[in-house]
Amino acid sequence: NAGVMQNPRHLVRRRGQEARLRCSPMKGHSHVYWYRQLPEEGLKFMVYLQKENIIDESGMPKERFSAEFPKEGPSILRIQQVVRGDSAAYFCASSPSDSNYGYTFGSGTRLTVV
Amino acid sequence: DAKTTQPNSMESNEEEPVHLPCNHSTISGTDYIHWYRQLPSQGPEYVIHGLTSNVNNRMASLAIAEDRKSSTLILHRATLRDAAVYYCILKGGSNYKLTFGKGTLLTVNP
Repeated sequence: NAGVMQNPRHLVRRRGQEARLRCSPMKGHSHVYWYRQLPEEGLKFMVYLQKENIIDESGMPKERFSAEFPKEGPSILRIQQVVRGDSAAYFCASSPSDSNYGYTFGSGTRLTVV
Repeated sequence: DAKTTQPNSMESNEEEPVHLPCNHSTISGTDYIHWYRQLPSQGPEYVIHGLTSNVNNRMASLAIAEDRKSSTLILHRATLRDAAVYYCILKGGSNYKLTFGKGTLLTVNP
């Protein structure tokens, strides 16, 4: 039973380019959460999605960031026109419908903007 | 979100038990106590959670004070692979967000 798969593990983008981060949840999990960890800072909630629905995007920057979780395929976190301050580790987690269980996190995507 | 307080760092020797404390004096009646850990260059890993009673699983034990204002994560025999940052998080029953603090950096000496 594969865990949460994130790819790529490392992503380098030049300022102004787009970054696409992918997350495949665990089999049977229909809830996906994205977190960001800036250098020397703690993990911060970004967005919570269920299939084809954004439930809570209160932690997402208002501009340039978007997320989706289509009916088929992985969840995508998209960052347009990246800036140096977007350099961080982005983690995806998934859970079954009952949120009282623990979440399973992926190994993350480390985005470096040069 | 109710806050938790953890020591910044702790040290242990391999093969010895480790007790990681967490204070949460403002915990509400519906808050579960969750523990996660993050190994270097990895994503957080769920360790254990509980509401009122002590809990055991293959990774650790969770001891919860009777008044629920504090809890202790117990690693029965620390290994080098247990070196990580350990996070104590309060999570209400209907709340899906995990609020990570700074956690406790556990160093395990060989």
